[in-house]
Amino acid sequence: EPEVTQTPSHQVTQMGQEVILRCVPISNHLYFYWYRQILGQKVEFLVSFYNNEISEKSEIFDDQFSVERPDGSNFTLKIRSTKLEDSAMYFCASSAANEKLFFGSGTQLSVL
Amino acid sequence: DQQVKQNSPSLSVQEGRISILNCDYTNSMFDYFLWYKKYPAEGPTFLISISSIKDKNEDGRFTVFLNKSAKHLSLHIVPSQPGDSAVYFCATRRDSSYKLIFGSGTRLLVRP
Repeated sequence: EPEVTQTPSHQVTQMGQEVILRCVPISNHLYFYWYRQILGQKVEFLVSFYNNEISEKSEIFDDQFSVERPDGSNFTLKIRSTKLEDSAMYFCASSAANEKLFFGSGTQLSVL
Repeated sequence: DQQVKQNSPSLSVQEGRISILNCDYTNSMFDYFLWYKKYPAEGPTFLISISSIKDKNEDGRFTVFLNKSAKHLSLHIVPSQPGDSAVYFCATRRDSSYKLIFGSGTRLLVRP
């Protein structure tokens, strides 16, 4: 069964460093998303991406965040200068028609 | 964000019996609803969805009921199996949006 894959599964970084989280969505999907879950909190939306551009973003997704689909298979989330409060599990998701989303297993980001 | 509430943080059910998970929402503009389950160290897995034009959708052991007047959603699992033990999230969105809003989750334990 097709699945969304995310790498790395764990990322530890120093505050102020840049991180790139990588995702390979399901191959025939057209909609791509990033969500995150801070420990003990709800899963929250960051950004959606369709037709090579951001279709919607949350207030969390400020200038420190960016997304890119550099080729036909990868979808990345970059955090330019990480803060302690960016520590969370980051989930990539994709869907065929902005309906049911399929999530990856997540990248646990720890900012020290 | 209290737009989607799952008021029961946990539920324990005997194997073979029915599990009923509940979700309340505040915004009548929400028109698409989903249930996800999540195992530790994995991403949310799509279970079942329902559009606001319906009041029931069934898929095998899983049935979702939507009561628009009460702004209430429920997931029934019959019969419950030990492998169903997981955290269950309801999620919803508005028709014009790409953003899913999640509840806080209910941890289901199915006892053998």
